[in-house]
Amino acid sequence: QKEVEQDPGPLSVPEGAIVSLNCTYSNSAFQYFMWYRQYSRKGPELLMYTYSSGNKEDGRFTAQVDKSSKYISLFIRDSQPSDSATYLCAMIPPYGNKLVFGAGTILRVKS
Amino acid sequence: NAGVTQTPKFRILKIGQSMTLQCTQDMNHNYMYWYRQDPGMGLKLIYYSVGAGITDKGEVPNGYNVSRSTTEDFPLRLELAAPSQTSVYFCASLDRSYEQYFGPGTRLTVT
Repeated sequence: QKEVEQDPGPLSVPEGAIVSLNCTYSNSAFQYFMWYRQYSRKGPELLMYTYSSGNKEDGRFTAQVDKSSKYISLFIRDSQPSDSATYLCAMIPPYGNKLVFGAGTILRVKS
Repeated sequence: NAGVTQTPKFRILKIGQSMTLQCTQDMNHNYMYWYRQDPGMGLKLIYYSVGAGITDKGEVPNGYNVSRSTTEDFPLRLELAAPSQTSVYFCASLDRSYEQYFGPGTRLTVT
């Protein structure tokens, strides 16, 4: 079993839809959770960062962590064609030195 | 700050040739990483370093070597290139709040 599971998609939605991207994990030591966005032919860039359980909102993006279920989500409201990218979840325990990444979900937002 | 820079952007190698992928960061981060990314396979860690003079293997180190003589530079060496090493290679560094910064990537084709 992989430490982090993420559905690779692709996920195709119409413009304006609410998108839900998810990851599950097995290591209860993970405390820091991130979402990276990767456009085609570019390096990943940090989109959202949360510590422990709870929600964090930034504009149209909301990151949610449920440590009891070992489940994290990224919600995108009013999705735009410019949101079309691969979204990777990542996590690390305290004092860790390596992020553990999900496989990435390909998102396509159609206008 | 330039962040993480990588050279070259593209390279075609013949089977059996060798090359060095260059990576430099100007953020004074101790932790640096090399990943490879194959289509639909997410990021796989090749090697990482927690500081100058210290390196360690990741998930897929075979066929690669690294060195870390300075904080800024973390070159990746491919010896005896094989078609299985055709991939996109990303260098990254990690700051103290666990944010990982990626370079723009090197697209390598081995034929």
